Order: sequence, then structure tokens, then C-alpha cells
Amino acid sequence: DVKVTQSSRYLVKRTGEKVFLECVQDMDHENMFWYRQDPGLGLRLIYFSYDVKMKEKGDIPEGYSVSREKKERFSLILESASTNQTSMYLCASSSSGRKLAKNIQYFGAGTRLSVL
Amino acid sequence: LAKTTQPISMDSYEGQEVNITCSHNNIATNDYITWYQQFPSQGPRFIIQGYKTKVTNEVASLFIPADRKSSTLSLPRVSLSDTAVYYCLVGDTPDNYGQNFVFGPGTRLSVLP
Repeated sequence: DVKVTQSSRYLVKRTGEKVFLECVQDMDHENMFWYRQDPGLGLRLIYFSYDVKMKEKGDIPEGYSVSREKKERFSLILESASTNQTSMYLCASSSSGRKLAKNIQYFGAGTRLSVL
Repeated sequence: LAKTTQPISMDSYEGQEVNITCSHNNIATNDYITWYQQFPSQGPRFIIQGYKTKVTNEVASLFIPADRKSSTLSLPRVSLSDTAVYYCLVGDTPDNYGQNFVFGPGTRLSVLP
């Protein structure tokens, strides 16, 4: 089974803190994604990566950055956390390069981040 | 990007067939339609994918009319454990690596005893 592991299920941070959300997948997938999920807004793509050190902006990249130094690991960084970044964050991975929509995405369980 | 709309919520009873429709009026020629299911406190998981006509697997069926401007996920004989949020995703394979898909807003299905 594909496994996508997010480092924390729950996080509480203070406004202005630098926050790292980590995601690891064990299926040698090329593509990795970060989403945030808010009530009534569904899943919104923040960033995705199609290869090591490669990244592309999604729908809502403002206030976030990402890092992919190794194929299996994709990190989401909040440089200076704000209260409007309180949300559920979901990581996903999929295989085969450019076929972002067609290839099945495998999701982690999510990290619920609260910024106080 | 193809914009999608879905009903916000639906209720059903155990044993009934449930049909959830996703509208994607500006679907592109190469776009696929994929459905995901999400239980509370879990990430979404793949259910079914199609391009045209009908696709069936052990979990669900997906009906896509000829104009492909909508698609219907059909869950036969639902049980309480089918209570979840269902998302449709529409997108294609582009020539570059730009984002080429968008998730729908999700439909919250409640199955009642």
C-alpha cells in the first residue's frame, strides 16, 4: 500500500512563528502536493512539485513556500504564521510526471494547524 | 481550469442507491473526471475515474454523458459506512507542468439507518 505520512496530526503555533509541515511518501512518486482544506471551500492547492527541487504554485501560494530536497519528502513552510492560516493541511503524492490530474493522488491523514 | 460544482449535501437511507452529480460546463477535450471519498479525520482516497460513457468498479459507477459537461457518481446500496464527503476532480495532461486540475467543493453524504 502507498503510504503518505505527515509528521504531525495537530500543531499549535503562535502568530509570527516559522512553521514546518513535513510529508514523506514511500512509493517513489514523482509528484507531491500540498493542499489546505477549509469548511465550505473544499481542497485548495497551495504548491506542488513534479521532481526534486522543482515546484509550481497552485491556487493559493501566498504566505507559503515549499522545499523538496529528496524525492520522498516535501515540506510546506509558513515563514511567518498568521491566524488566517489556521486550517487542515493535506499532503498527497502521485506518479508519472505531467499527468497530474489523471494519476491517482494518495493523501496523508492531514495536519490540523491552529495559529493563535 | 475547468470549474466544477456539486451539491453541498445529500441524505440517504441504508440500502438505497445514491447519485451525486458534478457539473463541469467548461471541461476541456483532454480532461479526465475523477472522484475521491473523504472520511472524517482522514485524507481523501480515490474511488473511480472516467473519460466518457460509463465506468464501473467494485465500489461505484461513473456515468458521463456524451457532452461531458457533467458526471454522476453512483453508489449502489449505500451503508452507514458510506457517510463521507465526495469530491470530483476534473483536469487534463498539459504540455507543461502547470496546474491543470481543480477539486470540486465536495458533497457531504449522510447515510441514515
